[in-house]
Formats: sequence, C-alpha cells, structure tokens
Amino acid sequence: EPEVTQTPSHQVTQMGQEVILRCVPISNHLYFYWYRQILGQKVEFLVSFYNNEISEKSEIFDDQFSVERPDGSNFTLKIRSTKLEDSAMYFCASSEASGVTDTQYFGPGTRLTVL
Amino acid sequence: AQKITQTQPGMFVQEKEAVTLDCTYDTSDQSYGLFWYKQPSSGEMIFLIYQGSYDEQNATEGRYSLNFQKARKSANLVISASQLGDSAMYFCAMRPNSGYSTLTFGKGTMLLVSP
Repeated sequence: EPEVTQTPSHQVTQMGQEVILRCVPISNHLYFYWYRQILGQKVEFLVSFYNNEISEKSEIFDDQFSVERPDGSNFTLKIRSTKLEDSAMYFCASSEASGVTDTQYFGPGTRLTVL
Repeated sequence: AQKITQTQPGMFVQEKEAVTLDCTYDTSDQSYGLFWYKQPSSGEMIFLIYQGSYDEQNATEGRYSLNFQKARKSANLVISASQLGDSAMYFCAMRPNSGYSTLTFGKGTMLLVSP
C-alpha cells in the first residue's frame, strides 16, 4: 500500500542552524501539507502546497519557513534559523485532491529537537 | 473559524469491550468532512475513518464506527472489541468546504486498553 515517507526520523540541531525536512508524498497525490505537533499538544497546520506553489499557510508559517518540491517526488520543509520553540514533531501529508472528502495521509513524522 | 473539542484527556477500557471517544465540533460551513486519526506511541498518524456532513449513514470501517449526530455537532468514534494494540492517542479532525484544505485537529484522547 502506498505511503508517505519522511526523512530523517529524528533531527537534532543547534539554535540558529538551518534544517531541511524531507518528505516523499504518495505518488499520485497532488496536494501536499506540513503540520507540526509540539510535544503533548495538538497537531497544527503549517502550509499546503499545490501545483508548485503555496495554497494556504498558517500564522506559524513565517519567513523562517519555506517549502519546495525540488523534483518530481520530494517535498521539503526548510527552517532557516531554528529556534528552541521549533522543537516539535513535523508531519508531512498528501491527498489526491483538496475536497471535503479527500483524506490526507500522513507520514511517520520527523522529530526535530533544537538545542 | 473551525473548532474541534475532545473533552476526554484519557480513557480506559478492558480488552474486548467497546469504547466511545467523544468529539464535538463547531463550524459555520454546511459541508465538511470529519476524520479520526490514531497516533500510537511510535508517533505516526494513522487515518482511521471519515464521515461527510451530508452522509446519511454513519461511517464504519472494520471495528471502527462513527456515531455522527449532525444536529448536536458530534462525531464520536466507537471502537468495538478493543485490542491491546488500540492503546494510542486518538485525534478528531475536521476539514470545511470553505477556504482550502486545512485539517483542524482536537487535542486528542489517550486510550489505554488493559488485559
């Protein structure tokens, strides 16, 4: 069964460093998303991406964040200068379309720890 | 704005018994989708079941069913014949028809299944 994959599973970085989180969405999906979950809290939407551009972003997704689809399979989230409060689990998700009925399938997550 | 409320921080159930996890939502949209995800201790988000706001019948998927009461704006997850592997965090989420494709999550309910 097709699944969303994410690498790395765990990333440790120093405050102020840049990190890139990688995702491979399900191959026939067209819509891609990043969510984050701070430890013990609910999952929060960051950004959605379609047709090589951002379709929606939340207040969390400020200028420190960027997304890119560098090739036909990968979807990346870059944090330019990490802060302690960026420590969280980051989930990539994908869906075939963006309708009410379209299920978003999540990857296993990348746990980011900023020291 | 959409809001999902899960009032049960934790639930306990014995193996083979049924359990209901509560979810209420608030939206001004007439058309929306409701989703339940499972998050085991390993951290991944697993899609369980979907209910559309215009679906006349409650959704079922194996041992999972959704008790959808539109007038009360509730979408409770029922797990029948609980198994030890059902121990996990369970999140209710909603996607409205208006705007884009953001999923709004509740805070989750931790389910512990005992032998």
